[in-house]
Amino acid sequence: EAQVTQNPRYLITVTGKKLTVTCSQNMNHEYMSWYRQDPGLGLRQIYYSMNVEVTDKGDVPEGYKVSRKEKRNFPLILESPSPNQTSLYFCASGPSPGQNYNEQFFGPGTRLTVL
Amino acid sequence: GENVEQHPSTLSVQEGDSAVIKCTYSDSASNYFPWYKQELGKGPQLIIDIRSNVGEKKDQRIAVTLNKTAKHFSLHITETQPEDSAVYFCAASEYSGAGSYQLTFGKGTKLSVIP
Repeated sequence: EAQVTQNPRYLITVTGKKLTVTCSQNMNHEYMSWYRQDPGLGLRQIYYSMNVEVTDKGDVPEGYKVSRKEKRNFPLILESPSPNQTSLYFCASGPSPGQNYNEQFFGPGTRLTVL
Repeated sequence: GENVEQHPSTLSVQEGDSAVIKCTYSDSASNYFPWYKQELGKGPQLIIDIRSNVGEKKDQRIAVTLNKTAKHFSLHITETQPEDSAVYFCAASEYSGAGSYQLTFGKGTKLSVIP
């Protein structure tokens, strides 16, 4: 089954404790992206990757890191989480431009709470 | 950068009636406009999209219209059913031609279909 998976789905942590949210896709997509969803603010892009070893900042990159060492994986790293990073996070993937514009497939989400 | 406004933020309709959600965008270079449906506890799912060389697209009970001159696009759902209840997001994308692009999302519309 073609899908984007995220782990963990739920996470409660404390301020300053490094964490990683994993994302994996099995559709051989070049493009991957991370979003956060907050009430009243919709979906905002954190980072995206056009291909392996190619990453770039989205609209709200502060406090986050990403890496793209393999095509299928795109982990989101919070080196020192803070309470304002409490949010619902979505990973998405899609074909590269020229194949199907920006069609993106979303994972099920990770609900993160930072105390 | 692109700015997408979405209205209304909430919408209640009687089962069988039609629902219309409207979005405006700011960047005239945007050329791809997807709509996503997000059910409770799930990630957004692409339901229909339209490209800038098309004025209208229909898929069963769902249709999207695009007015590039006015820079607005709309989602129309006919014969609404309770399973249409969800949060709907519009988005606009600009393809830079250099392999870099982003989706900018509206803030979402919570649609409730009353049986």
